[in-house]
Amino acid sequence: GQQVMQIPQYQHVQEGEDFTTYCNSSTTLSNIQWYKQRPGGHPVFLIQLVKSGEVKKQKRLTFQFGEAKKNSSLHITATQTTDVGTYFCAGPIFGNEKLTFGTGTRLTIIP
Amino acid sequence: NAGVTQTPKFQVLKTGQSMTLQCAQDMNHNSMYWYRQDPGMGLRLIYYSASEGTTDKGEVPNGYNVSRLNKREFSLRLESAAPSQTSVYFCASRAERRVGDTQYFGPGTRLTVL
Repeated sequence: GQQVMQIPQYQHVQEGEDFTTYCNSSTTLSNIQWYKQRPGGHPVFLIQLVKSGEVKKQKRLTFQFGEAKKNSSLHITATQTTDVGTYFCAGPIFGNEKLTFGTGTRLTIIP
Repeated sequence: NAGVTQTPKFQVLKTGQSMTLQCAQDMNHNSMYWYRQDPGMGLRLIYYSASEGTTDKGEVPNGYNVSRLNKREFSLRLESAAPSQTSVYFCASRAERRVGDTQYFGPGTRLTVL
């Protein structure tokens, strides 16, 4: 079964509203990574979190890694049309050589 | 640097036909991967290669074979295509870092099997 779950599967927001996607793993992770895939494009690495409780920011994007290192979230403040795409979390559940990807959250922006 | 390249970009096959998807990376990475992406399923690992000369099965290997031709190239072969193999296929390579790794993806191959 799916080892890394993401919710919601889809999110439609008005431009300027905030957006959050949540990622939950069935096991403790040594690190968690986030990727963004634009429509018709390929996944692109955004960030990696390693430490328990870690918080990292990239402009309007805030990434958190849970204290138990089993969950993570991505929050976007004041969404813009350039934020459209699918956001995936991924973690090395079956060893560091392989990543298991979440199902993704597809964000659409209503102008 | 071109990063990760894939050919072809699009392909239509009839059931039972065979084809090979090509992937190459110029970043001197040891590990390479093949994923398939289907709506609502995220990215699922088909096969990976941790180093030149080695390959291992991922989550969904049935119906596929791979070859790690050299450090740069990792190909995926469908011997007898089936409609269930209609998907977008991504190749990726991994940058190994002291703390955690990053995967770099190619542009993808959009495959339709009729």
